Amino acid sequence: DIQMTQSPSSVSASVGDRVTITCRASQGISSWLAWYQQKPGKAPKLLIYAASSLQSGVPSRFSGSGSGTDFTLTISSLQPEDFATYYCQQANSLIFTFGPGTKVDIK
Amino acid sequence: EVQLVESGGGLVQPGGSLRLSCAASGFTFSSYWMSWVRQAPGKGLEWVANIKQDGSEKYYVDSVKGRFTISRDNAKNSLYLQMNSLRAEDTAVYYCARNKRWQLSLDYWGQGTLVTVSS
Repeated sequence: DIQMTQSPSSVSASVGDRVTITCRASQGISSWLAWYQQKPGKAPKLLIYAASSLQSGVPSRFSGSGSGTDFTLTISSLQPEDFATYYCQQANSLIFTFGPGTKVDIK
Repeated sequence: EVQLVESGGGLVQPGGSLRLSCAASGFTFSSYWMSWVRQAPGKGLEWVANIKQDGSEKYYVDSVKGRFTISRDNAKNSLYLQMNSLRAEDTAVYYCARNKRWQLSLDYWGQGTLVTVSS
């Protein structure tokens, strides 16, 4: 089974900061990587699919990159509504796996 | 507007069974793969299962194989998760989610239903 790791597990940042979260797969997954945002008590929200494609309605300050085993989610200028937990997710042969999550909180 | 509404959660004893339902609206349900994802209290997301448009293909996470069954009724626009032999570690909020077309990601999610396995 493919395992996913994320780093850091948490990050403290200020409004306006650039934030980068890394996700690594235990084996190559081409570009089958998605990113989600989850706020407390709410369902996750899809931000990025296919590693770098922005989901409709998601602000352009969110971007994704990478392929193979190493991927990155970048928030170019952190906004107050971006404080949340972020998860990566891979799909290999229709078996999905989520990363452990990265919590972005206020510095 | 796409809507997914889960129901059927509750308190069940270890070894017991529960059937979750997800009512879908606002899209052509029969055209999409669908998934269940769970989240234990204070923990991360765990994908549980998914099912093809016509129900002919199903995939499960190892920890639920042989105990959980995903199914769908396209005539009723509904997704189901039959959970048997429940364990304490199955305690979680269970989300129904739509698989994004042609992509291996989940673009719409329900609000979740809580399953608690405890004596």
